[in-house]
Amino acid sequence: QKEVEQNSGPLSVPEGAIASLNCTYSDRGSQSFFWYRQYSGKSPELIMSIYSNGDKEDGRFTAQLNKASQYVSLLIRDSQPSDSATYLCAVPRRDTGRRALTFGSGTRLQVQP
Amino acid sequence: ETGVTQTPRHLVMGMTNKKSLKCEQHLGHNAMYWYKQSAKKPLELMFVYNFKEQTENNSVPSRFSPECPNSSHLFLHLHTLQPEDSALYLCASSQTGTSGGQADTQYFGPGTRLTVL
Repeated sequence: QKEVEQNSGPLSVPEGAIASLNCTYSDRGSQSFFWYRQYSGKSPELIMSIYSNGDKEDGRFTAQLNKASQYVSLLIRDSQPSDSATYLCAVPRRDTGRRALTFGSGTRLQVQP
Repeated sequence: ETGVTQTPRHLVMGMTNKKSLKCEQHLGHNAMYWYKQSAKKPLELMFVYNFKEQTENNSVPSRFSPECPNSSHLFLHLHTLQPEDSALYLCASSQTGTSGGQADTQYFGPGTRLTVL
């Protein structure tokens, strides 16, 4: 079982819509969760981190964490064409004593103008 | 300079060459990482350094040799690479010990695009 699983997409949404990205993880001991955005040919940049169950909002982005169900999601409100990118979910990597992160394969988001 | 910097940004090398990638972090972090990202593949963790000590070597071939002289600098020495080693090599840093002992936010450099001929 992979530590982090994401739907590869592409997820296509019209401009102004809500984009919903999902991620499941296998390690129940994980306590920190991250969403990164990666534009083609660029390095990943942090969008959100979340540590507690529930929602965390930052501008147009909301991260949702449900530890009982072992999923974390990212909602992007009022999606813009500039949000078109690959979104990576990351959780602590179990075989490093959870000192390093393991990344999902990413979901490619396309926002149609 | 701010954040995490990497040089060179692009590198083309032959299979018999020796080259080095350099990473420097200006964030005061105590951990640094090397990742490999091949086309259409997820990020692969290569090496982890905490307080200059290597704590993880994720079954990386010996033709990749890391060096961490201090908490701010990380190198990846390359020799006798193969064409399949062509990829984007990313350096990252983080401050460990701030998230209940678990990994916390990693900040990435811009990467080195490596092509092995």
